[in-house]
Amino acid sequence: KAGVTQTPRYLIKTRGQQVTLSCSPISGHRSVSWYQQTPGQGLQFLFEYFSETQRNKGNFPGRFSGRQFSNSRSEMNVSTLELGDSALYLCASSMGTGINTEAFFGQGTRLTVV
Amino acid sequence: SQQGEEDPQALSIQEGENATMNCSYKTSINNLQWYRQNSGRGLVHLILIRSNEREKHSGRLRVTLDTSKKSSSLLITASRAADTASYFCATDEAGSARQLTFGSGTQLTVLP
Repeated sequence: KAGVTQTPRYLIKTRGQQVTLSCSPISGHRSVSWYQQTPGQGLQFLFEYFSETQRNKGNFPGRFSGRQFSNSRSEMNVSTLELGDSALYLCASSMGTGINTEAFFGQGTRLTVV
Repeated sequence: SQQGEEDPQALSIQEGENATMNCSYKTSINNLQWYRQNSGRGLVHLILIRSNEREKHSGRLRVTLDTSKKSSSLLITASRAADTASYFCATDEAGSARQLTFGSGTQLTVLP
């Protein structure tokens, strides 16, 4: 079974630009959640999608948005990039149902904003 | 915001020794999951322990959970150089893994 696939692996963008990151979950998984990892703040939850609907949202500005498609693939968009958006962005895939569900992560997208 | 702290922040041991990492959290949880991360890459799922479980084993890993103290520990026995990584605990309060809250992580270095 293929794991969680994130593309691209690395990205360099300029301040003010926007970026779109992609995540393909494990086959059969209906939930995709996104996390930002930085040295200063650690791993922080961005949002979670289940069956194309956003179920949960973390405490991030509206510049961070996402969506999920009918095949469960998800995209995350960051508009008007700031230097502080430089981070490792991780997506997690899970069944999304049941109380005790394991979440499996992709390799991440390393975003650098210059 | 992060759920809690992991202790120690860094741990250095010799190959063959055991490594113990602790995780504390603040709220009621459905389960707690442990992950490993190598050099800023993705998170590898190690083990999930449910709130009604006290101990769980997987290979060289042993996880305990004390919900009264809101703490968990991860023991890696007979460590190997390949175990060198950062280890994170993540709590699931809402269930369904819809929103995990991570600890600050322990950087483990296993010296050959």
